Amino acid sequence: NAGVTQTPKFQVLKTGQSMTLQCAQDMNHEYMSWYRQDPGMGLRLIHYSVGAGITDQGEVPNGYNVSRSTTEDFPLRLLSAAPSQTSVYFCASTLTWGPPSGNTIYFGEGSWLTVV
Amino acid sequence: GEDVEQSLFLSVREGDSSVINCTYTDSSSTYLYWYKQEPGAGLQLLTYIFSNMDMKQDQRLTVLLNKKDKHLSLRIADTQTGDSAIYFCAETSGGYNKLIFGAGTRLAVHP
Repeated sequence: NAGVTQTPKFQVLKTGQSMTLQCAQDMNHEYMSWYRQDPGMGLRLIHYSVGAGITDQGEVPNGYNVSRSTTEDFPLRLLSAAPSQTSVYFCASTLTWGPPSGNTIYFGEGSWLTVV
Repeated sequence: GEDVEQSLFLSVREGDSSVINCTYTDSSSTYLYWYKQEPGAGLQLLTYIFSNMDMKQDQRLTVLLNKKDKHLSLRIADTQTGDSAIYFCAETSGGYNKLIFGAGTRLAVHP
């Protein structure tokens, strides 16, 4: 997973607290995304960005905000944490938006979030 | 909508072949992927196949694609204990780089 860095790796939040999961890549990738992984459900897309200043919603965007002020960074904000947001979060990036043509999608190592 | 389905668990003996199956619904998918996730780690891309291919082989890995039945399989030859992990099938959807994942198949390799 070289090139995509997520922090923190582990976090415990109380219900109602806010926090930001950080994601950074140093590969000059245009496309970045956030997924959450829940048992028995695979990965579901939260938000994605096709370039600096451009973001859009995925399958499960409610309760999350994103911004993309630079090519390198794509933070995910939880505005008011709820127990239903307990999950493992993965950031991913790939070179370009459009036909992959063999481009690979790089994942970060994950952030384990527990909301109590 | 798009959906990817996998069986949740597979147990094999060390040295045998493993076959992990996946079905998908989006006939317009251009790429199909297999990812491996080891405990406590992120996702590692194993291999991918373009939708105009029927088969792709990469060392111990063989991917078979049946577009008519929307069925994808991953065969691991000579399965080792280090292959124990969760394997995710994923298809591209809509804007190419949007991935739809299956729930994952947990592969257990025993002596």
